Amino acid sequence: IAGITQAPTSQILAAGRRMTLRCTQDMRHNAMYWYRQDLGLGLRLIHYSNTAGTTGKGEVPDGYSVSRANTDDFPLTLASAVPSQTSVYFCASSSVSANNEQFFGPGTRLTVL
Amino acid sequence: GQNIDQPTEMTATEGAIVQINCTYQTSGFNGLFWYQQHAGEAPTFLSYNVLDGLEEKGRFSSFLSRSKGYSYLLLKELQMKDSASYLCAVLSGTASKLTFGTGTRLQVTL
Repeated sequence: IAGITQAPTSQILAAGRRMTLRCTQDMRHNAMYWYRQDLGLGLRLIHYSNTAGTTGKGEVPDGYSVSRANTDDFPLTLASAVPSQTSVYFCASSSVSANNEQFFGPGTRLTVL
Repeated sequence: GQNIDQPTEMTATEGAIVQINCTYQTSGFNGLFWYQQHAGEAPTFLSYNVLDGLEEKGRFSSFLSRSKGYSYLLLKELQMKDSASYLCAVLSGTASKLTFGTGTRLQVTL
């Protein structure tokens, strides 16, 4: 693993199904983030975690949950997917000690039908 | 709340210079980032300004005026590969959260 990875790359999901998007980083960054990107709306923060064991809500947290059991992994779960959650999801990580520059994963394209 | 404004689209000619502006309103300002994002790809870091003034990095420079809530990204000697979206993002508060503008799509033409 080099940097930050996300899985799956893309997914088509039926409404009402549960889905977990995976994110793993190997840079030992303390902070991790989940964004969604929609045309015309830019990147919007869903949830974040400043350190393992803690999480916080971003701008658009409803319908999503996260956990941060360790430094490297930050999964995002959609408990019951709805079509409005169709989007491209980016995971990012940063080190507070290094000017907070965020490094982004390659993204997951999710379609909810 | 926070408000970040940047133009939606710009067009420039190969070899020219282009300036992409960003204005913001925020509380607890901790810095401003510029990211580049090619279509279908993840954003990548370009620059970070926390103090007033100009930061230069090769063909790219970024300027910040905290009193005016204003930044710009200057791209010199434009190349076709510079065609991308440029995202302005403000770091604020104690939780180190970034708020992004909607991005400026730059098209470089021959």
